[in-house]
Amino acid sequence: DAGITQSPRHKVTETGTPVTLRCHQTENHRYMYWYRQDPGHGLRLIHYSYGVKDTDKGEVSDGYSVSRSKTEDFLLTLESATSSQTSVYFCAIRPGLAEDTQYFGPGTRLTVL
Amino acid sequence: AQSVTQLDSHVSVSEGTPVLLRCNYSSSYSPSLFWYVQHPNKGLQLLLKYTSAATLVKGINGFEAEFKKSETSFHLTKPSAHMSDAAEYFCVVIPPSYDKVIFGPGTSLSVIP
Repeated sequence: DAGITQSPRHKVTETGTPVTLRCHQTENHRYMYWYRQDPGHGLRLIHYSYGVKDTDKGEVSDGYSVSRSKTEDFLLTLESATSSQTSVYFCAIRPGLAEDTQYFGPGTRLTVL
Repeated sequence: AQSVTQLDSHVSVSEGTPVLLRCNYSSSYSPSLFWYVQHPNKGLQLLLKYTSAATLVKGINGFEAEFKKSETSFHLTKPSAHMSDAAEYFCVVIPPSYDKVIFGPGTSLSVIP
C-alpha cells in the first residue's frame, strides 16, 4: 500500500459538465501520474507532475488539465466532460528519481452520459 | 519509437498447469520492464520488474519473467496456476529517460478448475 487514495471512486456525470478527480498521497512523493484505462489500450498517460506546480502532458492530454498546489494532492479536471472520457482513471506515484517503479491508487470509474 | 506487444489478449489454463504470458517490446535503449496484475475492479499491483541486474526475475505469488535481449521479450511464467491468478496482466516498458511509460494492452488470464 503506497498510501494513495482517489476520490470519488465512482462518478456519473452529464456531457458538458466539469469534473475534478482527486489523488491524495500520504508519503510526500515527488512524482505523480494520471492514467486512463480503456479496454484494449492498457493504461495511457494523461498528465504527470514532478513537483508542486510542475506538470507536463502525457500522450492523451487533450480535454484534461491538472493542478498540483500541494505535494500530497494531484487534481485531474475535465473542463467539459464528453462521452469519450468515460473510463477508469488511475493515479500513480513514483517514489523518487532513483526508483523507476510506479505504485497505483484504487482507481475512479467515471461515466459521462 | 518504443512499443509493447502482448501477444495474447486472453489465455486460459487449467488449475495446476503452467502459465505463459508473452510480452515483446521495442526500444532504442535498454528499458526497465515490469509486469503488473489487476484483479477485477482493483488497482494495479506490481508483480516484478527487470532493471538489468539479472535476466531471470522472480516476483510475487510464484511468478517469474525472463529478459531476452536478443528476442526483445519479457515473458511471464508460473509453474502451476492457482484460481486466484485469474486477472488481467500488463507488461510495461519505461525507457531510461523516463519520458514515457508504455503499457501493453493487457492479457486476461482465466484459470479453469
